[in-house]
Amino acid sequence: EEQLVESGGTLVKPGGSLRLSCAASGFTFNTAWMSWVRQAPGKGLEWVGRIKSKSDGGTIDYAAPVKGRFTISRDDSKNTLFLQMNSLKTEDTALYYCWSLGTTATDDAFDVWGQGTMVTVSS
Amino acid sequence: SYEVTQPPSVSVSPGQTARITCSGDALPEKYAFWYQQKSGQAPVLVIYEDNKRPSGIPERFSGSSSGTMATLTISGAQVEDESDYYCYSIDSSGHEVVFGGGTKLTVL
Repeated sequence: EEQLVESGGTLVKPGGSLRLSCAASGFTFNTAWMSWVRQAPGKGLEWVGRIKSKSDGGTIDYAAPVKGRFTISRDDSKNTLFLQMNSLKTEDTALYYCWSLGTTATDDAFDVWGQGTMVTVSS
Repeated sequence: SYEVTQPPSVSVSPGQTARITCSGDALPEKYAFWYQQKSGQAPVLVIYEDNKRPSGIPERFSGSSSGTMATLTISGAQVEDESDYYCYSIDSSGHEVVFGGGTKLTVL
């Protein structure tokens, strides 16, 4: 069964840094395009950024509110996705999801979400 | 930055057809995807690539896209379909992924 498990969320002060991890299992991680999505309390889904597979160029894209502050990386040898968050702001407070969307060899959807890890930025 | 726009709320009676729209300038050339999210749970994909239904999603869920608007249709909506629904797509450059603001579907 495909699974994503996030970790690393905690309470951090404004201006601080935090690194989130997402451990993948049950699917071929090194060919998956991986994303981070966040959801502030009571608000909608907000895409944070995406990293393509190395075989597809490994391109990394970010949403405007986090560009220059957040860095996405992956370790395919450990089936793990990372989100390094620097210069955190109160508006970064959210539940952070790890997510992969693609299609299978039979053209069905491949869609996996983690359970989320909560990041609270507050003094 | 790119945006896709959804109505904040849609309300139907049980058994009626619910339609939720998503508008965006890149939709003529980029696919729309639809997610259902119930309170306290991770989103669930209900439609991908405009009109395809993932395995396990009931047939009452369908999708379509024409011009700059994509539509999620729930034919014969049931009380258990009451959820938040999000449209997801990408800009014309392929670099900016966006979710719509979400539509709260009420079935009562």
